[in-house]
Amino acid sequence: EVKLLESGGGLVQPGGSLRLSCAASGFTFTAYFMGWVRQAPGKGLEWVSGISGSATEYADAVKGRFTISRDESKNTLYLQMNSLRAEDTAVYYCAKGSVRRFYFDYWGQGALVTVSS
Amino acid sequence: DIQMTQSPSTLSASLGDRVTITCRASQSISSYLAWYQQKPGTAPKLLIYKASNLEGGVPSRFSGAGSGTEFTLTISSLQPDDFATYYCQQYNPSFPYIFGQGTKLDVK
Repeated sequence: EVKLLESGGGLVQPGGSLRLSCAASGFTFTAYFMGWVRQAPGKGLEWVSGISGSATEYADAVKGRFTISRDESKNTLYLQMNSLRAEDTAVYYCAKGSVRRFYFDYWGQGALVTVSS
Repeated sequence: DIQMTQSPSTLSASLGDRVTITCRASQSISSYLAWYQQKPGTAPKLLIYKASNLEGGVPSRFSGAGSGTEFTLTISSLQPDDFATYYCQQYNPSFPYIFGQGTKLDVK
């Protein structure tokens, strides 16, 4: 059974940093695209970042501030978020992609990140 | 930049109705389109990928069609579990991987 478990969310001041983790199980972690999607309160879905092999991609809104990575020995996906802004406040979902594409067939439960002073 | 526009934004329907949601891309994305269902407080669920391929375990009353710039999601006979918000997502690697703004399907 595929499982994705996010952790690391919380309250952070503007300009601060936070690292989200996503522990994956139930599938061959290295074989699939992985990504992060966020949802601001009451708003729609926003694709944030994805990783395939060693290649990474970012939405313009987070480029230069967020870094996606994965530790294959731990089957864990990360999102390092720096220079956080109020508009980054959202539930962040970790999601499993397909073998070659960034559409997502499994999602975690979400981690809430609140950026506020 | 590419834009994904869903219509309508809100749709009111009754049990047993046939409903169709449209997603339009501002540029051709071939068939790189997915549809998701989301209920309040829960993660999205994949329904359709590659425009018309039904994800495993998804009821056959859901279907997707289209290619290029115009896509549809159809529910053939609405069931109580179908009232939710639906999103399209383009995943053509030539463009940013964006979602449509969502269509909320509620009870008439």
